[in-house]
Amino acid sequence: DAGITQSPRHKVTETGTPVTLRCHQTENHRYMYWYRQDPGHGLRLIHYSYGVKDTDKGEVSDGYSVSRSKTEDFLLTLESATSSQTSVYFCAAMDSTGHYEQYFGPGTRLTVT
Amino acid sequence: QKEVEQNSGPLSVPEGAIASLNCTYSDRGSQSFFWYRQYSGKSPELIMSIYSNGDKEDGRFTAQLNKASQYVSLLIRDSQPSDSATYLCAVRRGGGADGLTFGKGTHLIIQP
Repeated sequence: DAGITQSPRHKVTETGTPVTLRCHQTENHRYMYWYRQDPGHGLRLIHYSYGVKDTDKGEVSDGYSVSRSKTEDFLLTLESATSSQTSVYFCAAMDSTGHYEQYFGPGTRLTVT
Repeated sequence: QKEVEQNSGPLSVPEGAIASLNCTYSDRGSQSFFWYRQYSGKSPELIMSIYSNGDKEDGRFTAQLNKASQYVSLLIRDSQPSDSATYLCAVRRGGGADGLTFGKGTHLIIQP
């Protein structure tokens, strides 16, 4: 399972509040990703990281920011949560030994009321 | 706009039969192809990866890739009720940090 954990696993928050989701991995993977999964849309890439302090935007990055100060941790922040950000958020890490296979964490279910 | 298309299903297959799942993609530059299995309420689990044209077998699973037709498929032999899940097709353009582009998934039901 690539040793990926996510916290919190469930969160309910109010519109306009900041929210930070954490992804932690124990396998020293260089590449990490944040996706969201919504009915009718499938999994979509929010942001990704290719090293400490190196991040870039994905397909649906508006309203989200990320930070990676240590190899093992990748944080996703919703600066001011909106109801459209209610979703299941998955973190993934990628094996960079040549196979480029991504492994997913257990997910965080976020509800914005 | 990169797109990955899958039939949403549900695809119903009797136990012991072969389940065939299909996926097409629009980006001709795609180089890596993956099948994930996702049980309801759980995270995606990687079951197969394929990088070159042809077939790749792993146990009861066979992935097939045809880059000329931009087509990827997954065959599950001797289907079991535990194979009932949503199967996600994902593609990746190249090396480095590229993320995956996912299809919306095919819901597979194995009937005992």
